[in-house]
Formats: sequence, structure tokens, C-alpha cells
Amino acid sequence: EDQVTQSPEALRLQEGESSSLNCSYTVSGLRGLFWYRQDPGKGPEFLFTLYSAGEEKEKERLKATLTKKESFLHITAPKPEDSATYLCAVQVRRDSSYKLIFGSGTRLLVRP
Amino acid sequence: DTGVSQDPRHKITKRGQNVTFRCDPISEHNRLYWYRQTLGQGPEFLTYFQNEAQLEKSRLLSDRFSAERPKGSFSTLEIQRTEQGDSAMYLCASSSRQGSSYEQYFGPGTRLTVT
Repeated sequence: EDQVTQSPEALRLQEGESSSLNCSYTVSGLRGLFWYRQDPGKGPEFLFTLYSAGEEKEKERLKATLTKKESFLHITAPKPEDSATYLCAVQVRRDSSYKLIFGSGTRLLVRP
Repeated sequence: DTGVSQDPRHKITKRGQNVTFRCDPISEHNRLYWYRQTLGQGPEFLTYFQNEAQLEKSRLLSDRFSAERPKGSFSTLEIQRTEQGDSAMYLCASSSRQGSSYEQYFGPGTRLTVT
């Protein structure tokens, strides 16, 4: 069964304190691994897509990496505005659908 | 704004009533998805359209739920005889091909509360 697990469930950081979020997955036919940011009451905002093991992508203070079984979202010197829930999702192909299977997210709080 | 839009943003209804939500995807995207998200969880797939054809439905989509995309543009999701368990955020996403995958872009969601 396709499964995505994110850890930790919640993370509190001081401003400037770097850390990493983990996303582990067991799927067959992976077409891509996606990271989204979600603010309270809003829809997920697309951040990155990773396609193959060893791939890395960066955006401002965020860097995403991918191995064969997990992905990490590294946050360098976070600011309070980085506080949000970060969602990881894997894309699988079933017939013609490329649906996303999400983890439960990591709620990040960055204190000034 | 050329992103995905959803209407209404919030809906409060009494148990047993019918509700309908609308999604307008990014104009050049032919693929459209509906997801449901409850508090503290990630979104769960409900159904998928390619143009006007509904090609996949999750077992989460009971017979009280119906979705349409009549002209391959906007889509509607209707819930009949709502139950308290239907309270959730309903998200719509549209996608275009990027290499071997399809990047999905989400709308702001419709928050449904069933009293």
C-alpha cells in the first residue's frame, strides 16, 4: 500500500535555528515527490518537485533533497514568516491519473 | 490572477441539505483534481478529470457525492444529504505536464461546516 510519513508532527524553532523535516515513502511507480507549504485556512502552495534520487532544489531558505526512500526539507536560518505546515506528497500513476498521496504534514513554528 | 479559484470560500449548512462547490482551474490546464482535507491531516484524493471525462474516483467518494466538468473548464462538486462527517476543507487542483510528472496547483479551498 502506498504510504507517506512525515516527521516530526510539529517543530518549534528559534529564528535563525536551522533544522530539517523528513518525509519517508513507500510507493510503487513514483512519478515525483512534491513539497507544499500551507498557511492556516488556505490551500497548499507549491514549493518543489523532485524526480530522482540525488536531486536537490533550493528556494530562498529552503532546500529539498531526495533519496530512494525519503526526502528532506532543510530550513536554513528560518524567519517567523516561515511558520506554516509543510506537506510532502508523492505522485503515482494509476491508469491515467497522476494523483498525489500526502503525508500529514509538519507544523513549523519559528519564534522571533 | 491566473491561479485556481474556488467558490464559495466558506459554507455553513444544516445536516441533510445539499451543497455545491465550484472550481475554476488555471486556463490552460486540462487536468483537474478534487481533494478533501480534515484538520491535522494532509489532503486526500477524491476524483480526477481529464478534460470533461471523470477518469478516477476514490472510494471516499460515496454515492452522495457527484462531480462534473461539463465543458472541460470549470468543475462542480455536489454533496447531497450532507452529514456532519462531511465537514472539511474541499480543495481543487489543476495540473500541466512537467517532464514525466504533473505539477498540481491548488486553489484556496472551500471550508464546509455541517451543523
